[in-house]
Amino acid sequence: AQSVTQPDIHITVSEGASLELRCNYSYGATPYLFWYVQSPGQGLQLLLKYFSGDTLVQGIKGFEAEFKRSQSSFNLRKPSVHWSDAAEYFCAVGAAAGNKLTFGGGTRVLVKP
Amino acid sequence: SAVISQKPSRDICQRGTSLTIQCQVDSQVTMMFWYRQQPGQSLTLIATANQGSEATYESGFVIDKFPISRPNLTFSTLTVSNMSPEDSSIYLCSVRPSSGGEQYFGPGTRLTVT
Repeated sequence: AQSVTQPDIHITVSEGASLELRCNYSYGATPYLFWYVQSPGQGLQLLLKYFSGDTLVQGIKGFEAEFKRSQSSFNLRKPSVHWSDAAEYFCAVGAAAGNKLTFGGGTRVLVKP
Repeated sequence: SAVISQKPSRDICQRGTSLTIQCQVDSQVTMMFWYRQQPGQSLTLIATANQGSEATYESGFVIDKFPISRPNLTFSTLTVSNMSPEDSSIYLCSVRPSSGGEQYFGPGTRLTVT
C-alpha cells in the first residue's frame, strides 16, 4: 500500500527566508509524486510533479522539489518566500499506471513579516 | 490544465437530509474523482466516477451513503445522503486528463451539517 508522511505539521518562516518542506513516501514501484498548495478557502493547486528523468523538478511560483529514491523523499523548496506563500502544502503519491492519489497530512506554512 | 467548477460552493444542511454536489469540467476527461477533506485533515479519496458505469468506491465509503453519477465526460455529481454532523467536510472533485498522471482539483464544496 502506498503512503505519504509529511513530518512537519506547521512551519513558520520569515518573509524572504528559504523554505523546505519534507515529504517521505512508501511505494513499491516507481511513484508519481506531486506537491499541491491549498490557500485558505481554496481548492488545491498543482505546484509540480515528478514522473521520471531529472530528479530536480521546477514548478510554479518559484518552487522546486528533489526526488531522492534512496531516501524515499520528495522535498519541496523555495529560496525566498513571499507572504502569499502562506498556505497548506500537500505531498501526494500515485501509481504510475493507476488512478489513486494518496496524500500526506499536509504542512501549514506561516510567513512572518 | 482543466477548469473545474463545483456547485454549491458551500451549504449548511440539517441532519438526515441529503445534498447533491455538482462538478463540471470545461473539457472531456477520462477520469473524475471525489475526495473528502475533513476539518483540519488531509484529503481522502471517496470514489472514482466512471462514465457509463457504477463508481468505484474506496474502503470505508459505500454507494448508499455517497451515490455518484457520471452521465458524460464533463460532468459528475456526488450526493451525501442522510447527513450527520460527521459529514461536515470539504468535498472536492478532481480530474485526470488522459495525457497525464496529475489531477486537477475543483474549488471544493464546504458542507456543514447541523
